[in-house]
Formats: sequence, structure tokens, C-alpha cells
Amino acid sequence: EIVLTQSPGTLSLSPGERATLSCRASQSVDSNYLAWYQHKPGQAPRLLIYGASSRATGIPDRFSGSGSGTDFTLTISRLEPEDFAVYYCQHFSGYTFGQGTKLEIK
Amino acid sequence: EVQLAESGGGLVQPGGSLRLLCTGSGFTFSSYSMNWVRQAPGKGLEWLAYITPSSSTMYYADSVKGRFTISRENVRNSLYLQMNSLRDEDTAVYYCARDLLRYTGSYYRSNAFDVWGQGTMVTVSS
Repeated sequence: EIVLTQSPGTLSLSPGERATLSCRASQSVDSNYLAWYQHKPGQAPRLLIYGASSRATGIPDRFSGSGSGTDFTLTISRLEPEDFAVYYCQHFSGYTFGQGTKLEIK
Repeated sequence: EVQLAESGGGLVQPGGSLRLLCTGSGFTFSSYSMNWVRQAPGKGLEWLAYITPSSSTMYYADSVKGRFTISRENVRNSLYLQMNSLRDEDTAVYYCARDLLRYTGSYYRSNAFDVWGQGTMVTVSS
């Protein structure tokens, strides 16, 4: 079973700053099956990135994904107020999610 | 507009049963694999179950295998989750989610969930 570990657990940044979120797999995985989601309280999760680096429909280009093997990154180039949320990675070898990174306003 | 809407949540005693419903609209429901995902209070997302469009294949997380059953009725654009032998730790918001890609056959693999419902709360408590 592949375990996804996200870091940091909480990231405190200000609007306008750059956010870098990490997702590490316990063994090498196929990047075609790595996705990232944004989740705000009381809302449905939102697909951001699929295939490790492809933006989903309607996702602003300040969101980008990269990585391969065991290490994957979600980058938000310039934080907007609406970007503060919890972010999850997911891999479809076992459909498992990482534990999440909370992005909070500093 | 492509939408999913869950219903059927509520308060149930430990050991009890509940059936959740997810209704899809704005897309060809019968062309997509579907999933259930939950979030317990203060916890992260947990995938629970998957079903192909024809119901030929289902997968379950170990935490619910043998207790939960995923099913669907394409003519009603409906997805179900039958939950039996409920435990306190099953308390969560339950979401249905659509696979990103249309199902293409036996070599198909899911790669993301692109449409989610707003969720329905299930509370297991005596």
C-alpha cells in the first residue's frame, strides 16, 4: 500500500507570497495518476491538478504541479485571499489521499 | 450545469444501517465511474468505494469492506452507498465524486475526481 505524506502540515503565508506544498509517496508511483485538490470548510473539494502537472478546467494559472517518482509539488505562485484552504494530494494506485496541508493566512 | 447532490444522511445508532443517495445531473451519468469519499470531523479525506458505469467492478477501502456496498441505477442517474454495522468512527461528511474521464473499458484507470457533491452528514451515536 502506497502512503502519501504531505508537508508541511500547516503553512502560514501572506497574500501575494509563493506557496510550495509537498507530497511524498512511500514508493515510486506513476505521475499520470497523481492529483491535487483544494478543500474549504463546508464546500465540496475542488480538483486543481491531475496527471501531476495538468490544470483542471477553470483553474487559474497561478496553480501549478510538478514532480515524478516519489516527490510531487503543488505551487501557488502568488497567493490570493481565496487560496487559503486545505490541500490534498491523491494517488490512484490505491485511491489514497495524503493527510493534507492547511494553508493559513499569516 | 454538471452537478452531484447527496442525501440520506442523519443520526443512526451504532450497529445500525443507512443508505446514502447521490443524484447526478447535467452529464451522461452512465458514462462515468463514480466514487464515495468521506471526511470525519477534524480529519482528512478518505476514499471509500468505486464503481464502474455498468456496475461490473467495485473497489472498497479496507475500513469499510464487508460493511458498505456501493451500487448505482443509471436510469435514475443515481449512486448509492448502503452502510451496515455502523460504528462511531463512521461519523463523517460523505461525498460522492465523479471520475474525471469517461469510462473506456477494461483497461481504464481513474486519474482524478472532477465533480463532487456538497456532502451529507452521517452521525453514528447512541
